[in-house]
Amino acid sequence: DAKTTQPPSMDCAEGRAANLPCNHSTISGNEYVYWYRQIHSQGPQYIIHGLKNNETNEMASLIITEDRKSSTLILPHATLRDTAVYYCIAHGANSKLTFGKGITLSVRP
Amino acid sequence: GAVVSQHPSWVICKSGTSVKIECRSLDFQATTMFWYRQFPKQSLMLMATSNEGSKATYEQGVEKDKFLINHASLTLSTLTVTSAHPEDSSFYICSVSGSTGNSNQPQHFGDGTRLSIL
Repeated sequence: DAKTTQPPSMDCAEGRAANLPCNHSTISGNEYVYWYRQIHSQGPQYIIHGLKNNETNEMASLIITEDRKSSTLILPHATLRDTAVYYCIAHGANSKLTFGKGITLSVRP
Repeated sequence: GAVVSQHPSWVICKSGTSVKIECRSLDFQATTMFWYRQFPKQSLMLMATSNEGSKATYEQGVEKDKFLINHASLTLSTLTVTSAHPEDSSFYICSVSGSTGNSNQPQHFGDGTRLSIL
């Protein structure tokens, strides 16, 4: 898997959009960008993934730059329950997931 | 996505005991499952890849004789921590791979098992 770099932490106000950045400058052509999150004492939860087009689902939006070297996960209206560690992972089909340290998002009331 | 059930959610036992953790894929036939371990304030570390009907593939540094993995059916993988010691205390998490062939699908995780060895 390509290495990803995320800031260690960020916070945002409840109800506002949370924009979580990720750098993956060495991503290869067949590697997707995946986002998972882990709420304290639970297993990770899949959020969204994409290859090169922007993606949106009921949880979040994923914006991938044209050169695919970075991406941003957007939680449009953050709630207190979105407080978690968010992991950005680049990996190809049938390859193993390598978790980094992730970014700790704290949503404040 | 796949629904993954992990049991037990937590266990406390004495040093030297063997502990079995079950991971079930409730709605997906999983040929591949993964086992991770997570120590406090650290990220998930992959321990092994569990393949249905064949031997598991262990990551470097993980003792296969201590962490026994059995994946006898498409819906169940078990991890047995043999002769557990306090340093084995950790959060153990399994996942199911949704990928088949060359498709790229997310992994779906169980809720983890917190193991405490006294």
